[in-house]
Amino acid sequence: EAQVTQNPRYLITVTGKKLTVTCSQNMNHEYMSWYRQDPGLGLRQIYYSMNVEVTDKGDVPEGYKVSRKEKRNFPLILESPSPNQTSLYFCASTQQGSVGELFFGEGSRLTVL
Amino acid sequence: DAKTTQPNSMESNEEEPVHLPCNHSTISGTDYIHWYRQLPSQGPEYVIHGLTSNVNNRMASLAIAEDRKSSTLILHRATLRDAAVYYCIRDRRAGTYKYIFGTGTRLKVLA
Repeated sequence: EAQVTQNPRYLITVTGKKLTVTCSQNMNHEYMSWYRQDPGLGLRQIYYSMNVEVTDKGDVPEGYKVSRKEKRNFPLILESPSPNQTSLYFCASTQQGSVGELFFGEGSRLTVL
Repeated sequence: DAKTTQPNSMESNEEEPVHLPCNHSTISGTDYIHWYRQLPSQGPEYVIHGLTSNVNNRMASLAIAEDRKSSTLILHRATLRDAAVYYCIRDRRAGTYKYIFGTGTRLKVLA
């Protein structure tokens, strides 16, 4: 089954404790992206990657890092989380160059105390 | 501003058509328009996309204005299962490759 898998789905952590949210897709997609969703603000793009070792900032990259060492994985790293990073996070992927469907994961709800 | 703008919410009666508008006045000639919807507690899911011409699929129709500064998602017969937040998205194809979401329209379907 074609899917985008995120882990963890739920996480409560404390300020400053580094964490990583993993994202993996099994569709051989080149393009992957991270979004955060906050009430009243819709989805905002954090980072995206057009292929292995190619990443770029989205609209709200501050406080986040990403890496793309393998095609299937695109982890989101919060080096020193702060309460304003409490949010619902979505990973998505699609075939590079095609104008088709953007596949989303089920989301990861992060709370930073 | 490169964002799309949509009404915050709309209501429709069940089995009636729904027209969800989106304004993308700064769209460039190579940007596609996508529509996604998000059901409660789920990630967004694809509905339809288009460039210049109107498009139809099994879920919906997409009407794109001639000047491409606006578009309308048409659900021909709304059902209770169509209650969701609908997002209009610019798919930038020139230079940076970004999907730019609007804030979405929350559709309420009345039985």
